[in-house]
Amino acid sequence: GQQLNQSPQSMFIQEGEDVSMNCTSSSIFNTWLWYKQDPGEGPVLLIALYKAGELTSNGRLTAQFGITRKDSFLNISASIPSDVGIYFCAGHAYSGAGSYQLTFGKGTKLSVIP
Amino acid sequence: DAGVIQSPRHEVTEMGQEVTLRCKPISGHDYLFWYRQTMMRGLELLIYFNNNVPIDDSGMPEDRFSAKMPNASFSTLKIQPSEPRDSAVYFCASSFKGVGRYEQYFGPGTRLTVT
Repeated sequence: GQQLNQSPQSMFIQEGEDVSMNCTSSSIFNTWLWYKQDPGEGPVLLIALYKAGELTSNGRLTAQFGITRKDSFLNISASIPSDVGIYFCAGHAYSGAGSYQLTFGKGTKLSVIP
Repeated sequence: DAGVIQSPRHEVTEMGQEVTLRCKPISGHDYLFWYRQTMMRGLELLIYFNNNVPIDDSGMPEDRFSAKMPNASFSTLKIQPSEPRDSAVYFCASSFKGVGRYEQYFGPGTRLTVT
């Protein structure tokens, strides 16, 4: 099945810095999603991308659907302590009518140093 | 609007016991997904339903696991008998077949510990 390679696995940054993380696949995806998971909670949907080249923002977060349709990027500007958590990418690859399964990356653990 | 509701939030049980996890999807959503999350394997899809019908259960680890969705607002995941290797966080998620149909919304999870 499809696999998503998410990098980096973890990162430590200073408060106020910008953050970049990415997700790549060997397969073409038609949808990319970015989630954030806080400790003890379920993943929360941050951004959904549906078109190659699409750039979408949600506050300080910006995500892009790569033009090759095999990658996606998430940027966080001016990080704050509450940005701490694990960020997951997820993708949907068309595999037949009615297929609604997502493939998830392993996550990027973000730590923010005040 | 209420999100996905899961119960219990924590479950501790002894090996061999039956465990039942419960989920109420977001009202109006017609897809329901059960996932398991562990440090080693990340998020794994176990099974998903469309309009209460199981569509793909290929992720269910073995016959000890079963899932049902008797109506649009309730689903259960049962493990019988439970084993220590079943210890994980189990998530339920739901989505709506329409614009944004791949956007899955997760519940808070049930942390299962089997001793």
